[in-house]
Amino acid sequence: DAGITQSPRHKVTETGTPVTLRCHQTENHRYMYWYRQDPGHGLRLIHYSYGVKDTDKGEVSDGYSVSRSKTEDFLLTLESATSSQTSVYFCAISPTSGDETYNEQFFGPGTRLTVL
Amino acid sequence: RKEVEQDPGPFNVPEGATVAFNCTYSNSASQSFFWYRQDCRKEPKLLMSVYSSGNEDGRFTAQLNRASQYISLLIRDSKLSDSATYLCVVSRAGGFKTIFGAGTRLFVKA
Repeated sequence: DAGITQSPRHKVTETGTPVTLRCHQTENHRYMYWYRQDPGHGLRLIHYSYGVKDTDKGEVSDGYSVSRSKTEDFLLTLESATSSQTSVYFCAISPTSGDETYNEQFFGPGTRLTVL
Repeated sequence: RKEVEQDPGPFNVPEGATVAFNCTYSNSASQSFFWYRQDCRKEPKLLMSVYSSGNEDGRFTAQLNRASQYISLLIRDSKLSDSATYLCVVSRAGGFKTIFGAGTRLFVKA
């Protein structure tokens, strides 16, 4: 168990409203990721972080921002939600041992977001 | 062309059958290879890493052919509980260069 939680687990919101999803990990891993999963597209990387305040864009970052002010928390914000952002959002970590980061990833339980 | 391609599926097999999943990747700089399993409405979970020498974990065998840029997963003696979507995953240096295949759905029937 990689000790990753996500909140909320389900959310329904309206177009144009801001939404923040939270990912929390308990094991001090350096790398954290946000993905979205949609039918026919598989998992696509939105943003990732390689340390506190160190973040970068992934494949589908438009319309999303992230913040990481503490090692254990990685926040994903939809500034103005659109219906195309209806999806399942997964947070993930890559385990770290000392200075080494492993390439495998472990996922949180996901957040189902519906934008009406 | 997608960077990681898998059989589209779904695969429908009886209990006890042997089933093989195939995956190809296009970037020769890829370094790490994995198979994940994802149950319906759940998160993906690491099933096994894939090594050039091939590796086995119980009923599961994974193979990697770097020359052909091909990865496979073999499940022997299928169980009902093996029903899930199997994701082929390829990574270059750093987890942020990880590409997930779209997955192949497996249904094992009694």
